[in-house]
Amino acid sequence: DVKVTQSSRYLVKRTGEKVFLECVQDMDHENMFWYRQDPGLGLRLIYFSYDVKMKEKGDIPEGYSVSREKKERFSLILESASTNQTSMYLCASTEQGSGNTIYFGEGSWLTVV
Amino acid sequence: AQRVTQPEKLLSVFKGAPVELKCNYSYSGSPELFWYVQYSRQRLQLLLRHISRESIKGFTADLNKGETSFHLKKPFAQEEDSAMYYCALSPTSGTYKYIFGTGTRLKVLA
Repeated sequence: DVKVTQSSRYLVKRTGEKVFLECVQDMDHENMFWYRQDPGLGLRLIYFSYDVKMKEKGDIPEGYSVSREKKERFSLILESASTNQTSMYLCASTEQGSGNTIYFGEGSWLTVV
Repeated sequence: AQRVTQPEKLLSVFKGAPVELKCNYSYSGSPELFWYVQYSRQRLQLLLRHISRESIKGFTADLNKGETSFHLKKPFAQEEDSAMYYCALSPTSGTYKYIFGTGTRLKVLA
């Protein structure tokens, strides 16, 4: 059974702080994703990685960066958190190729005050 | 442009009534299409995919290439069907970045 684990479920950070969101998957998936989930806006892709050290910008990459040093781990970094980054962040993974099921983590609720 | 559209943000039906959650897509080619569901306090998970042509929890979805639609249907709604539903498209070439709709919240009333 595929498991995607997000280390932090709930975080409260101050404006300007650097924030790290960690995600680990245990199924040797090549592709990993970070999404932001907001009411009425659905899931918006922040960044996508298709291999170690490889990444592509999604639809809303501004204010975020990512790191993928190991295949199983994909980190999302907010260099300087702002209140408009208060949201639910979802990590996901899938096998290489089209048409494969995406497996999601439980999500990280981030509040920036 | 590649796009998935779910026109309804909220759909309320009574228990036992039929349900149809609408999904339209825009894609130049033959995409893979999915429905994902998120129940309260649970992670987002796959409900069904068009290529499997299966029924899950009484839900079915038919791909209509002429109308570019992939509507989700269930003949008799149950209270436990209340959840957030997302339609998603997987491109069949390129970088395989999935595209999600904005979601429809289904509320099944007793």
